Amino acid sequence: EAGVAQSPRYKIIEKRQSVAFWCNPISGHATLYWYQQILGQGPKLLIQFQNNGVVDDSQLPKDRFSAERLKGVDSTLKIQPAKLEDSAVYLCASSLTPRISGANVLTFGAGSRLTVL
Amino acid sequence: SQQGEEDPQALSIQEGENATMNCSYKTSINNLQWYRQNSGRGLVHLILIRSNEREKHSGRLRVTLDTSKKSSSLLITASRAADTASYFCATDHLQGAQKLVFGQGTRLTINP
Repeated sequence: EAGVAQSPRYKIIEKRQSVAFWCNPISGHATLYWYQQILGQGPKLLIQFQNNGVVDDSQLPKDRFSAERLKGVDSTLKIQPAKLEDSAVYLCASSLTPRISGANVLTFGAGSRLTVL
Repeated sequence: SQQGEEDPQALSIQEGENATMNCSYKTSINNLQWYRQNSGRGLVHLILIRSNEREKHSGRLRVTLDTSKKSSSLLITASRAADTASYFCATDHLQGAQKLVFGQGTRLTINP
């Protein structure tokens, strides 16, 4: 099966500019996640979707970050305006609904590396 | 914070030796998972252990879980150069949405 697709792989912008990342999850995976991974740290959940509804966005900096999953399939994460501390890898992951699969096992994309200058 | 803590932060061993990494967490869990991340890549799921299990094996991987101590360990036996990567534990907690909380990771280097 095809994996989780993400683009772009790399992006360099200046602070206060905007950027958008795209993710296409594995077909049939109802749950989609965006994680932020700062160099040397573990991934931190930004937002979790179940189909096209938000399940958890408690750690999403909503003054600058937004995400949508309009048709319950692919998703876009936007940052506007970017700050230096947003430099990180943005990982998208998807999973089957846990009540169907029995557990929340994630499949990750390769990530989008953002550098803010 | 529910985030797990991993120990050690970095581990360097010779090829063929065994590598052990530990993870501790703070609140009750449904299950605990281990993921591997090669440099510049996404995370890959390795193994899952449920809260009612104490030990699980998958190939050269052995995972233990002690819910009384809120800790888990990952053992990689007969290490290979290809095992060089960062290893993360992730906990699926009983409270809140079923989201995985990742630890800070252990950076494992296998020297040939």
